[in-house]
Amino acid sequence: EPEVTQTPSHQVTQMGQEVILRCVPISNHLYFYWYRQILGQKVEFLVSFYNNEISEKSEIFDDQFSVERPDGSNFTLKIRSTKLEDSAMYFCASRVGGTSGLEQYFGPGTRLTVT
Amino acid sequence: DAKTTQPTSMDCAEGRAANLPCNHSTISGNEYVYWYRQIHSQGPQYIIHGLKNNETNEMASLIITEDRKSSTLILPHATLRDTAVYYCIVIPYNQGGKLIFGQGTELSVKP
Repeated sequence: EPEVTQTPSHQVTQMGQEVILRCVPISNHLYFYWYRQILGQKVEFLVSFYNNEISEKSEIFDDQFSVERPDGSNFTLKIRSTKLEDSAMYFCASRVGGTSGLEQYFGPGTRLTVT
Repeated sequence: DAKTTQPTSMDCAEGRAANLPCNHSTISGNEYVYWYRQIHSQGPQYIIHGLKNNETNEMASLIITEDRKSSTLILPHATLRDTAVYYCIVIPYNQGGKLIFGQGTELSVKP
């Protein structure tokens, strides 16, 4: 069964460094998302991406964040200059599209630790 | 977007049915009810969704009241692996589909 994959599973970085989190969505899906979950808190929406552009973003998704679909398969989240408060699990999700395809399929997540 | 209300936690005996309620009294006509769950530290997992009819799949059943103001997710024979946080989320069908997670219901399945 097709699934969303994410790499790396765990990333440790120093404050101020840039990180890129990678996701491979399910191949025939058209909508892509990033969410994050700070330890012990709710899953929070960051950004949605469709047709090679951002369709919606949350207040969390400030100028330090960017997303890209550099080729036909990968979907990346870049944090330009990490802060301690960026430490969280980051989940990628995708969905097929259309009005009957609202269900999203999530990857296993990348645990980002900023020291 | 319609707000949902769920109990904070529930227990269920292994092998018994788990019935998880959700109130969404402000739901509008173009909004679907979706259920997801999150097993500890894993990515959320889609379970089932519905608009107004009851739905069943290999994982669960979804019962939506006639006025659509509440719904119940039923896991017919809960196992220890069903221990998770369950989220009821209302989504407009004509928007981008972003998920707004609440606190959910923490279901503990006990032997």
